[in-house]
Order: sequence, then structure tokens, then C-alpha cells
Amino acid sequence: DTAVSQTPKYLVTQMGNDKSIKCEQNLGHDTMYWYKQDSKKFLKIMFSYNNKELIINETVPNRFSPKSPDKAHLNLHINSLELGDSAVYFCASSQDGIRGAGTDTQYFGPGTRLTVL
Amino acid sequence: GQQVMQIPQYQHVQEGEDFTTYCNSSTTLSNIQWYKQRPGGHPVFLIQLVKSGEVKKQKRLTFQFGEAKKNSSLHITATQTTDVGTYFCAGLYNFNKFYFGSGTKLNVKP
Repeated sequence: DTAVSQTPKYLVTQMGNDKSIKCEQNLGHDTMYWYKQDSKKFLKIMFSYNNKELIINETVPNRFSPKSPDKAHLNLHINSLELGDSAVYFCASSQDGIRGAGTDTQYFGPGTRLTVL
Repeated sequence: GQQVMQIPQYQHVQEGEDFTTYCNSSTTLSNIQWYKQRPGGHPVFLIQLVKSGEVKKQKRLTFQFGEAKKNSSLHITATQTTDVGTYFCAGLYNFNKFYFGSGTKLNVKP
């Protein structure tokens, strides 16, 4: 049973398109995250949700919009894709009862490799 | 500002040699976590350190948290090819903000 799953695994698209990446966790965790990992392997947090409430919203373009329909799901929608958006996007979750602050172990999904042409 | 600096960026070792990666912060950390990411894989949690001066071991891996809770290290004794990957630290500040280090990519030659 996969703890944190993401779809799709690969996404190739043209500049200017709009795309979504889905994430689901079956661990019963309160907090979910989205990370961007570039070609140099820098792992940068983008968003964090705790019980469907946005906790962390790092400086990312407003073309990126997270949506959490329930605490087991955190989807990432990207409008007007740009070349610089090409990266691997990881979803993660943690138990974190308090404010989703990274106090607990984070479980990462397998990643979605986004390529913008 | 609050951020975690990790060195070295790359390390190439011969199988059997030791390896160490370091994370440093200019301000006190609430805790520090370590993750390993295999090539093509996703980060996997290794350990969390909370107490000042804490030392934890997992087989050939030794994790340390500095007395001032501003630095941490991961040491691998007698590396094996299965240790290949990128090792990340993640430091938590004031129990509400955390940052990942830039990672140390370890390559082990058989």
C-alpha cells in the first residue's frame, strides 16, 4: 500500500498550458506539503497545509495554486506554465498535530517530473 | 537569516572509506532531521535529533547534534555502494519554520 501517492509521474507539456498534479496520503496525517526540486537537487518548500488550512506559503508565483479538498489530498494547479517550472515536484505528509511546522517525520511521494517545452 | 548551510556539495569516496556531511545554522535550531534520496528516488527520513549534544547511531551511520544546537553532522563508516545518494538535513526554527539544506551528493566507487 502506497503511503503518499502522486499522479502523474511524468508530465510533458507546452509553455503556456495549465496543468495539475494530484497527491493523496493514506497515513491519516494532518499536514501535507509541496516541494520543488530543481536540476541541482535543491529542495524548496512551496506550500504546507494543516487540516485543509494553508500554513506555509513561500514566495512562489501566484500561477501556482494549491487545493486541499480534504486532509488526505493536496493538489497543485499551475497556470501558464513557463520553462523555469521544469523540475521534480514532491508531495509529502507528516503527522504534525500543531501548525504543520515540520516537527514530525515527513513522508515523501515518488515525485512528478514536469518538463515544459 | 534563518537558513541551513550544508557542506560539502559533492563527495566521491572509495568503497570502505568514511564519509561526513555537515549542516550549520547561524541561529539555534529546535530540531534537525536527516533524509536520504537515492538517485531517481524521493527523500526518505533517516532520523530526528532534538536534544543538545545528542548522538544517535543507525548501524554504520552516526548522527550528531551540536551542544549549541546550531550544527549537525552525519558520518558514515566504511561506505558501501548502497550508500550512494544525496543526504539532506532539515532544520526547524522556533517550532514553526524549517529549511532543507542544499544536500550532499555521495558517490561511492566499488
